[in-house]
Amino acid sequence: IAGITQAPTSQILAAGRRMTLRCTQDMRHNAMYWYRQDLGLGLRLIHYSNTAGTTGKGEVPDGYSVSRANTDDFPLTLASAVPSQTSVYFCASSDSAGAGNEQFFGPGTRLTVL
Amino acid sequence: GQNIDQPTEMTATEGAIVQINCTYQTSGFNGLFWYQQHAGEAPTFLSYNVLDGLEEKGRFSSFLSRSKGYSYLLLKELQMKDSASYLCAVKDSNYQLIWGAGTKLIIKP
Repeated sequence: IAGITQAPTSQILAAGRRMTLRCTQDMRHNAMYWYRQDLGLGLRLIHYSNTAGTTGKGEVPDGYSVSRANTDDFPLTLASAVPSQTSVYFCASSDSAGAGNEQFFGPGTRLTVL
Repeated sequence: GQNIDQPTEMTATEGAIVQINCTYQTSGFNGLFWYQQHAGEAPTFLSYNVLDGLEEKGRFSSFLSRSKGYSYLLLKELQMKDSASYLCAVKDSNYQLIWGAGTKLIIKP
């Protein structure tokens, strides 16, 4: 099935624990993104990757890291989770980072840090 | 700073027309996107404008005025399934999307 998958769907995590959110796309898109969505705020970009092997920082990168070893996978790691990282996390991809390219979103991961 | 403004919530009647406005101030402009997001689901793409004017796609149309930093999404013949949040986003000079907080549209029968 073409599209983007994310895992897990939801997770409750103790503060201080390490957590990796997984994202895989099968559309052979070059660009991938991680956003967080919080009530009353717009989607905020955490990290992005314009092509395999490269990554960049978005608006809110602190406390998060990413890697892009291949085209399909773009995992997001929280090294030591804090309650302020409680959010819904969306992974997205686009054919390229260029002007007119729409982004396709995964179903999201709902993360609660206690 | 960069800013996207849109109303927090709007209510409309089934079968009617509704216009959702979006104003923006960004560093550079490489197009404006509208997405639809149903509660608990992922955003899905609706429209893209990069030149001034109206883009029509079925019951949905999107308008852009770059000189005014303004766009609107027009939804005609509203259906109950159109109840959702509508997100306005602008691609800035770094080709990153800057997102508004979204407009929650409530459709009443």
